[in-house]
Amino acid sequence: GAVVSQHPSRVICKSGTSVKIECRSLDFQATTMFWYRQFPKQSLMLMATSNEGSKATYEQGVEKDKFLINHASLTLSTLTVTSAHPEDSSFYICSAGPGHRTDTQYFGPGTRLTVL
Amino acid sequence: GQQLNQSPQSMFIQEGEDVSMNCTSSSIFNTWLWYKQDPGEGPVLLIALYKAGELTSNGRLTAQFGITRKDSFLNISASIPSDVGIYFCAGHLGGGTSYGKLTFGQGTILTVHP
Repeated sequence: GAVVSQHPSRVICKSGTSVKIECRSLDFQATTMFWYRQFPKQSLMLMATSNEGSKATYEQGVEKDKFLINHASLTLSTLTVTSAHPEDSSFYICSAGPGHRTDTQYFGPGTRLTVL
Repeated sequence: GQQLNQSPQSMFIQEGEDVSMNCTSSSIFNTWLWYKQDPGEGPVLLIALYKAGELTSNGRLTAQFGITRKDSFLNISASIPSDVGIYFCAGHLGGGTSYGKLTFGQGTILTVHP
């Protein structure tokens, strides 16, 4: 149980294009999902908190117009990187906890984004 | 943002040896979590601790929630090559402005020599 999936696992895109990453909780519903970014050999950096049915909450320094988050249902949150640039290349990971819980979070397998 | 102080940063051990790593914080947490991350993968939850003083095992792994709620440790007994990876601790506060967020340690890179 408590499986979180992400799609795609890898994506390569040209500079200026937009990329959508999906995060799904497969065997539980999640009111809240989280999006992280991870640079090589570093810890996870929280980008935003995705709330089902309401606007996402972004961490300081994260551009909300660049990283669009939609939490359309209790099992799906999407992160869209708009007008991607090479500096957006990174490993993006989502997490979710069952129901309203946030104290036990399960992570997706991550999405490797490369912007050329 | 705030980070937990996780140590050691890296460990090089022989197969069969025991491993110990810990996390400390200047503030209290209500939940401590330990994750393992393999290269190119997302972190996998190993152990979750919900109560101060709690000692929990998961196979060869044992973790404890410090009584002061400001620290936690993870022990791995009789290490094997597949234990290789990065181990992260994470603290969860609960309510307030940090609602729902996890605070992560810097990670411990574990290398196991056969």
